[in-house]
Amino acid sequence: QQQVKQSPQSLIVQKGGISIINCAYENTAFDYFPWYQQFPGKGPALLIAIRPDVSEKKEGRFTISFNKSAKQFSLHIMDSQPGDSATYFCAASSGGYQKVTFGTGTKLQVIP
Amino acid sequence: GAVVSQHPSWVICKSGTSVKIECRSLDFQATTMFWYRQFPKQSLMLMATSNEGSKATYEQGVEKDKFLINHASLTLSTLTVTSAHPEDSSFYICSARDPQGDEKLFFGSGTQLSVL
Repeated sequence: QQQVKQSPQSLIVQKGGISIINCAYENTAFDYFPWYQQFPGKGPALLIAIRPDVSEKKEGRFTISFNKSAKQFSLHIMDSQPGDSATYFCAASSGGYQKVTFGTGTKLQVIP
Repeated sequence: GAVVSQHPSWVICKSGTSVKIECRSLDFQATTMFWYRQFPKQSLMLMATSNEGSKATYEQGVEKDKFLINHASLTLSTLTVTSAHPEDSSFYICSARDPQGDEKLFFGSGTQLSVL
């Protein structure tokens, strides 16, 4: 069964700190790993995504680290800000952007 | 980035009535759209894949006759919750692929359905 496991379930970080969210997958056919940010009452928004041929991708304060052999990937949010407070979902899919399997979500709270 | 518009953003209906939710791709043609359901503090669960001009593909456990999906044009997919009951109350989200834009998935803003 295709699954994506995500941890932690919730995270509290001080402003300026680093937020780290981890995910692990089982299906080796997955070839696309996006991260989504969701605010209450809104749909998810694509933050950043990576493919297995690279080990790291950085866009602004957001970095994905990818470990293909361990089947794990993580999101790092540098210099976390209160505006980053949201729920973050990792996800995975195979064959491009077809059916996306979502992780269980991490509720991030950045406190001043 | 591409925009997916979903309407309505919230709806309250009586038990037994039907509710239609619209999902539109505003600046691209979407041959494929996806419908998700999300319960409070939980992840998104894929309900069905909507393909323009053909029947939708439903995930295991999703009732086809309960959740009717129509994808009549390249910019519009609709989800109709028929004979809604309180257990159908949930947050429904659509998404669409932009085939010209690296095929990324873009999500609508969601529809909160409350069935009384």
